[in-house]
Amino acid sequence: GAVVSQHPSRVICKSGTSVKIECRSLDFQATTMFWYRQFPKQSLMLMATSNEGSKATYEQGVEKDKFLINHASLTLSTLTVTSAHPEDSSFYICSARVGMNTEAFFGQGTRLTVV
Amino acid sequence: RKEVEQDPGPFNVPEGATVAFNCTYSNSASQSFFWYRQDCRKEPKLLMSVYSSGNEDGRFTAQLNRASQYISLLIRDSKLSDSATYLCVVTDSWGKLQFGAGTQVVVTP
Repeated sequence: GAVVSQHPSRVICKSGTSVKIECRSLDFQATTMFWYRQFPKQSLMLMATSNEGSKATYEQGVEKDKFLINHASLTLSTLTVTSAHPEDSSFYICSARVGMNTEAFFGQGTRLTVV
Repeated sequence: RKEVEQDPGPFNVPEGATVAFNCTYSNSASQSFFWYRQDCRKEPKLLMSVYSSGNEDGRFTAQLNRASQYISLLIRDSKLSDSATYLCVVTDSWGKLQFGAGTQVVVTP
C-alpha cells in the first residue's frame, strides 16, 4: 500500500507551548488528508479534513484556533497544537487518500504528552 | 445513532478456529467499505476493501449486504498474530470516512 509518514512519533512538551506534527504522503499525491485523535481504548475521532490549497473543515467541537492545520502541498499537511494543555495529551494520527472513495492510508501516529 | 456500529467484543478465539463479526452502517448512500486492523498503540492499517460481490484475501473473507446495510469479516484458521482491533470504515456520499469503534479479537493458544 501507499506510504504516509508522520513525524514526530512521540513528543513531550510543557504546558503552554506549541507542537507541530507533520504528515507526508511519500509515494502518491494526496488530495485529502485527515487528522484524528485517539484516547486510550477509544475509537478514532476525526478532528478535521483538509484539501490541498483550501482551509480545513473542522468537526464540531474541535477548536480551529487551537488546532491549526496547513495543507500547502499535495504531499504535506501539518497540525499545530497551540498552547497545549495536559488534556491535549493523546495519540494524533493523520491519514491521506487520493480520491473521494478510495482507501485511506495512515501515518504512524504521534503520541503527545503535555506536562 | 452512530453512523457505523460494531460489536466491541472481545471475541476470544482459539488458535485455528474461525471467527466472524459484522458492522452495520446507517447511511444507505454509503459508497465504499473497508476493514482496517489496529494493533495496540499503533496506527490503523488497511486489511481489505469490501466489494459488492464479496471478496477473499487469504484467510480473510469480507461480505457486503447493502439491503441490510452491514458488512462482515470472517477470519479462518486464526493465528495468534490476528489478535487486534478490527475497524469497519464506510465512506458517505461526500467521501467522508466514518469509522466504527472497532471489534477486538483475541486469539488464544
